[in-house]
Amino acid sequence: LAKTTQPISMDSYEGQEVNITCSHNNIATNDYITWYQQFPSQGPRFIIQGYKTKVTNEVASLFIPADRKSSTLSLPRVSLSDTAVYYCLVGDLSGNTPLVFGKGTRLSVIA
Amino acid sequence: DAGVTQSPTHLIKTRGQQVTLRCSPKSGHDTVSWYQQALGQGPQFIFQYYEEEERQRGNFPDRFSGHQFPNYSSELNVNALLLGDSALYLCASSLIDSYEQYFGPGTRLTVT
Repeated sequence: LAKTTQPISMDSYEGQEVNITCSHNNIATNDYITWYQQFPSQGPRFIIQGYKTKVTNEVASLFIPADRKSSTLSLPRVSLSDTAVYYCLVGDLSGNTPLVFGKGTRLSVIA
Repeated sequence: DAGVTQSPTHLIKTRGQQVTLRCSPKSGHDTVSWYQQALGQGPQFIFQYYEEEERQRGNFPDRFSGHQFPNYSSELNVNALLLGDSALYLCASSLIDSYEQYFGPGTRLTVT
């Protein structure tokens, strides 16, 4: 299973764009990159998933360089409600390998 | 459409006791996974059930066991509770062979 490395914590002011980078040097050819968000006392929530280049949805964008050894989750114009822990996961889509969560990045949004 | 539901919300047990946690998957989902999340840590995979069989298992002792029923709901059983079993237990459901999992709110277990 490819291991991921993320910053432990980040702070941001409301209205700013936040970029959280995840390192996954040993990513395999069939692996996808998935990000989850978790609020206190709640289960993680799927945010976005991608394989290469750029993926965008109504919540975030995911940038993946050509070598796929890292990825960046971009949250546009964060608000206080975006304060949460963000997890980067790497794995194939077969479901044959379980989700492996690291410690995640604790994002604190300040007014 | 109800999402993943778990019961109970909170539970307090004594060392050595046994506990059963319950999970109902999101409508249409056939696979249930269980995770243990200690304070300040990411969720750790316990096991996954599909078609009433344990399909995968993480690095947890045999004290942790589970079951999946024909309606896809699932139970997590933990025997001989230890203080270290205190954690948030999360259930996640998905379609088989799908990487996108939907998590429930969890059951907070405290072992004293």
